Amino acid sequence: DGGITQSPKYLFRKEGQNVTLSCEQNLNHDAMYWYRQDPGQGLRLIYYSQIVNDFQKGDIAEGYSVSREKKESFPLTVTSAQKNPTAFYLCASSIIGGHDGYTFGSGTRLTVV
Amino acid sequence: GESVGLHLPTLSVQEGDNSIINCAYSNSASDYFIWYKQESGKGPQFIIDIRSNMDKRQGQRVTVLLNKTVKHLSLQIAATQPGDSAVYFCAESPKSFQGAQKLVFGQGTRLTINP
Repeated sequence: DGGITQSPKYLFRKEGQNVTLSCEQNLNHDAMYWYRQDPGQGLRLIYYSQIVNDFQKGDIAEGYSVSREKKESFPLTVTSAQKNPTAFYLCASSIIGGHDGYTFGSGTRLTVV
Repeated sequence: GESVGLHLPTLSVQEGDNSIINCAYSNSASDYFIWYKQESGKGPQFIIDIRSNMDKRQGQRVTVLLNKTVKHLSLQIAATQPGDSAVYFCAESPKSFQGAQKLVFGQGTRLTINP
């Protein structure tokens, strides 16, 4: 079955550490996205990518970095520059050039300890 | 910038009743709208979508209504069941013929089904 997989489901980070969240899709989607979700709030766009080796900043890109070396993969690194990283992170993918919505992963909950 | 918002953050209904979740959007150029359901600790799941050339679309137990005049979107769930308890998000997509779909999400409404 096609889908989008995020790992790990739970992640703990110490102060000053960088951590990388994985996102893999086998839907043959060109576009991939990272969103952050805080309790009681909606989704805010961190980064998105329309094609391999290209990505664009979203609304809250500061303190985050991404790469898109393969069509299937779009990892997100939460750097030590992100001052409030505790949140639920959602990866999504979609076609481009049309309207078909997103397919979401199951999310990664990141907690700073 | 444009944003999509919801009138009520929480909604409680009795099992078996119908529920209506509302959403206001501000970008009159948006031409595609989606409702997502998110259960606790999970990613959002697609429920139903509607394009701006339609006023109403029905699915299984769900109906989406679009009023472009007042920029209002609603999700109706018929005969609610305990499994309908979740947070519901609306999202809008500006008209785009190229590139990634940059969906703008509302804050979400938490729907609770009471036995």
